[in-house]
Amino acid sequence: NFMLTQPHSVSESPGKTVTISCTCSGGSIANNYVQWYQQRPGSSPTTVIYEDDQRPSGVPDRFSGSIDSSSNSASLTISGLKTEDEADYYCQSYDNTNLWVFGGGTKLTVL
Amino acid sequence: EVQLVESGGGLVQPGGSLRLSCAASGFSFSKYWMHWVRQAPGQGLVWASRIRSDGSETDYADSVKGRFTISRDNAKNTLYLQLNRLRVEDTAVYYCVRASNGGDNFDSWGQGTLVSVSS
Repeated sequence: NFMLTQPHSVSESPGKTVTISCTCSGGSIANNYVQWYQQRPGSSPTTVIYEDDQRPSGVPDRFSGSIDSSSNSASLTISGLKTEDEADYYCQSYDNTNLWVFGGGTKLTVL
Repeated sequence: EVQLVESGGGLVQPGGSLRLSCAASGFSFSKYWMHWVRQAPGQGLVWASRIRSDGSETDYADSVKGRFTISRDNAKNTLYLQLNRLRVEDTAVYYCVRASNGGDNFDSWGQGTLVSVSS
């Protein structure tokens, strides 16, 4: 069964860099693109990274994405952390059997 | 500006039915695949269903297959989700979502509509 596993929570200080992992099981992370969504409390999700490493217009270049075939995982890195980055982050990809799959989400605390 | 506005949520008893609607504007609705994604209270995002741009193909998550039906009216720029035989575990905010042209990126989301299933 295709699954994406994320850490439940991460925390870091303003100005620092944080990386959120998304580990794939039951398939290969490289087979289909990975997207990352940010969901602030009380709001709908928005895309911060699509197609593994692409940033939509309006998303600051402090956000970057990558995949690592050797560890079968994707990563979202946020540098120069700001308090406004505090949110839940979800990875998402596609699998031929399970179709569109989300990771369980990671709560980022900026303290 | 892309706008997706859901409606139709509410409180329903187990075994009941609801029909969700999503009014789309600001883009060529008939050219895009559309999805429904749900989020139970305090939980993560879960994909539920999708429909091809012309309505010719649909897919469902195993958890809703046989109970939910996705459809669209491209003349009215509206997406629908018919929810039948509802269960307590279907309680969630239901988001109408646009998929990027030809891709799997969910690039626009509505504000969501809450479905509560309880006796």
